[in-house]
Amino acid sequence: DARVTQTPRHKVTEMGQEVTMRCQPILGHNTVFWYRQTMMQGLELLAYFRNRAPLDDSGMPKDRFSAEMPDATLATLKIQPSEPRDSAVYFCASGFYGAYPGEQFFGPGTRLTVL
Amino acid sequence: GQNIDQPTEMTATEGAIVQINCTYQTSGFNGLFWYQQHAGEAPTFLSYNVLDGLEEKGRFSSFLSRSKGYSYLLLKELQMKDSASYLCAVRDGSNYQLIWGAGTKLIIKP
Repeated sequence: DARVTQTPRHKVTEMGQEVTMRCQPILGHNTVFWYRQTMMQGLELLAYFRNRAPLDDSGMPKDRFSAEMPDATLATLKIQPSEPRDSAVYFCASGFYGAYPGEQFFGPGTRLTVL
Repeated sequence: GQNIDQPTEMTATEGAIVQINCTYQTSGFNGLFWYQQHAGEAPTFLSYNVLDGLEEKGRFSSFLSRSKGYSYLLLKELQMKDSASYLCAVRDGSNYQLIWGAGTKLIIKP
């Protein structure tokens, strides 16, 4: 049963600390998305990779957020320094560009609380 | 601009039928998705429409009218487990990204 996995599932940290979230996409998928979800904003796209290359990170605050794919089995999202307004659920999703219908498969999310 | 509208919340009765509407205005269109999201969980894929008409999947059906920029998700024989948020998303052009609606929270009452 192929699934997207994310670690950690929950993270509580203090303002100013670095936070790293990890995602393992479904094997064989060539696209990876990072989303942030809050009650107020809904689902926001932060970054999007295809074949490990970043295609769009316009939704990400560049001064503190960074996203990478060191290899095909790992995507990372880092926040440094973290702020209370970063508190949200961060989802990773993967999919296969070119497949029909090309739906995105979501991981369980990382619930981040910044105090 | 890009815009997707859905009602914020709907209430229905167990065993009944409910229709959740979604209207969209996007610069391009390459398919519309519906996802279900239970509280505290991740969104899961429900249905996909790229051509006009109705797609049926068991108790769930989804309809699309591209000329009207309109879709709906129809849920029949409602069960308590259908209480969730339903997210409408449009794939804008060929870049594979989705534009998401804010979601409709569906409350099922006995």
